[in-house]
Amino acid sequence: GAVVSQHPSWVICKSGTSVKIECRSLDFQATTMFWYRQFPKQSLMLMATSNEGSKATYEQGVEKDKFLINHASLTLSTLTVTSAHPEDSSFYICSARKTNNNEQFFGPGTRLTVL
Amino acid sequence: AQSVTQLDSHVSVSEGTPVLLRCNYSSSYSPSLFWYVQHPNKGLQLLLKYTSAATLVKGINGFEAEFKKSETSFHLTKPSAHMSDAAEYFCVVSDQSGGYNKLIFGAGTRLAVHP
Repeated sequence: GAVVSQHPSWVICKSGTSVKIECRSLDFQATTMFWYRQFPKQSLMLMATSNEGSKATYEQGVEKDKFLINHASLTLSTLTVTSAHPEDSSFYICSARKTNNNEQFFGPGTRLTVL
Repeated sequence: AQSVTQLDSHVSVSEGTPVLLRCNYSSSYSPSLFWYVQHPNKGLQLLLKYTSAATLVKGINGFEAEFKKSETSFHLTKPSAHMSDAAEYFCVVSDQSGGYNKLIFGAGTRLAVHP
């Protein structure tokens, strides 16, 4: 199989703090990982694409200084929401693509609530 | 630019009756199309994908979809609904422009299955 995990599965934080979310490909190497955001009862919106060892590519309208992405290894990407505010509360989902394969495998998501 | 439109936000069927979830796509070239399912508190799961091979694609759990270029449609069907099919379904098109293989999600269709 191709399993992707996310940690934590849910997090509650105070406004102004930073939160880090991890995305791991457990049984395969992922050259490329993707971060999505899903508001309640809405679709997934791609935030950024990260390639191992290089800077992430952000979608239009996504603040790269607010959503820091690091893809330091072939099995781990992290998303840090800096100075979080209540409007950042959302469901964050990552996916990982196997090297030499176009299929994306999705993590279970992380629910972030900013008070 | 690639896009998908899911024509129904909610579909409700009785257990044992057919399921039809509608999707139309817009693409400037031959697209890759997918259907994903999202159960509550679980990761997205790929049901099936079309990548320019056979136009009738069979997926997991008895689902299938037919690619119709003349109608720019990729509707998802299942002959007989099970209670366990109740979930959110996303029609997805792959955008290969810009050097990255990005997934563009439709708005989603929530399927309810009644006894």
